[in-house]
Formats: sequence, C-alpha cells, structure tokens
Amino acid sequence: GENVEQHPSTLSVQEGDSAVIKCTYSDSASNYFPWYKQELGKRPQLIIDIRSNVGEKKDQRIAVTLNKTAKHFSLHITETQPEDSAVYFCAAGQTSGGSNYKLTFGKGTLLTVNP
Amino acid sequence: DAGITQSPRYKITETGRQVTLMCHQTWSHSYMFWYRQDLGHGLRLIYYSAAADITDKGEVSDGYVVSRSKTENFPLTLESATRSQTSVYFCASSESWQWLNEQYFGPGTRLTVT
Repeated sequence: GENVEQHPSTLSVQEGDSAVIKCTYSDSASNYFPWYKQELGKRPQLIIDIRSNVGEKKDQRIAVTLNKTAKHFSLHITETQPEDSAVYFCAAGQTSGGSNYKLTFGKGTLLTVNP
Repeated sequence: DAGITQSPRYKITETGRQVTLMCHQTWSHSYMFWYRQDLGHGLRLIYYSAAADITDKGEVSDGYVVSRSKTENFPLTLESATRSQTSVYFCASSESWQWLNEQYFGPGTRLTVT
C-alpha cells in the first residue's frame, strides 16, 4: 500500500518568514495530493490540492509543488501570519475509484508562527 | 461543515464494552470514511465506504466493525473496547470517486477507554 512520509514534524518560524513542508510517497499510481490544515481542537480542512498533471499550484500565500519523478511534493507558505499556526497534513491518493478511492496521510507538521 | 455530524462528541467507556460512534451527513455524498488520530501517527484510515452496503478495510481495521445501510449514515462499532483504542475519531465524506474530491471531516469524537 501507499506510504507517505512528512518532514519536519515541527517547524517554528517568525511572522513574515516562509515555511516549507515536504512529503514523499511510495506508490507511483498515486495522482492526487491534498494538504489539510488542522487548528487546535478543530477538524482537518482542505487548504490546497494538486493533481499529477500539474507541477505547481498557487492560492494567495500558499503553493504546492509536485515532482512525480522523485515522488515528492511540498507545501510553501509565504509571509506567514500567527493564524497559520496549526498542524498540516499531506496526503496521497488515486483517482481510479472503487477500493482505491482513499487517502493515505502523513503524520503531520506542527507549524508555529511567532509574532 | 454543519452537513456532517458525529455523536457522541465525548465518550468514556470501560475495557471490554461495545461502543458505537455515529456519523451522519446531509450531502448525499457517496464516500464515507473513518479515521483515528493519535499523537505521532497522524490520521489513520479505519474503514471506508463507496456507497450503501459497500465497505472496505483501511490500515487499522482490527477490532472495529462498520455498516452502511443508508447513504447518510456510517456508524463505527468497537466490538470489545481496549485501551489502545483510546483516540480521537473523525468521520469524513466525499462526493465522487470519478474525480477525487475534498474530504469533509466531522467534528470528531474523543473516546477514552479505561
């Protein structure tokens, strides 16, 4: 089955700096890579996703890059703000449906943005 | 977010007891999922369901049972609770298998097994 590794497990940055979280996956059939944000005591929520036919996707201060050859993808947050403090999860999955329609999550990165 | 709910939100039970966690969604989403979240392990898939009466095991399914007689409900049962099943449980739903879509998570159930 799929295995997703996420690094670092904790990340502390100063407000205004950039933050980068990296993930690797093992199954070359995976073609969908979402990122979820989970604030303390809350449910995970999707912040951005990328599909294998795209190398990069941006949404305001957030961007995700994908290298299918190397099987890794990364989340980039620019101009970090205190409200970006949360746990971030990467995930990988396939769009073939049926029993393959599931996501495998990384173990998460606790991002702390210091004012 | 109000479209997917879980009950109870908090539960304390004893080792060996049967416990059922409920999940209900109002969007008529085809896919539903159960995850457990433990410190250091992230989100791990317990079971998932593509439609009513279709369920599949995830990576940590031992000790759990699910059913899906109706599209909107996906209860998770711990047949004989153990301390290792103390965790936060999240239910999620997703619209379509044809194009992987966002999974919408419920608010979670914090289960403590004593």
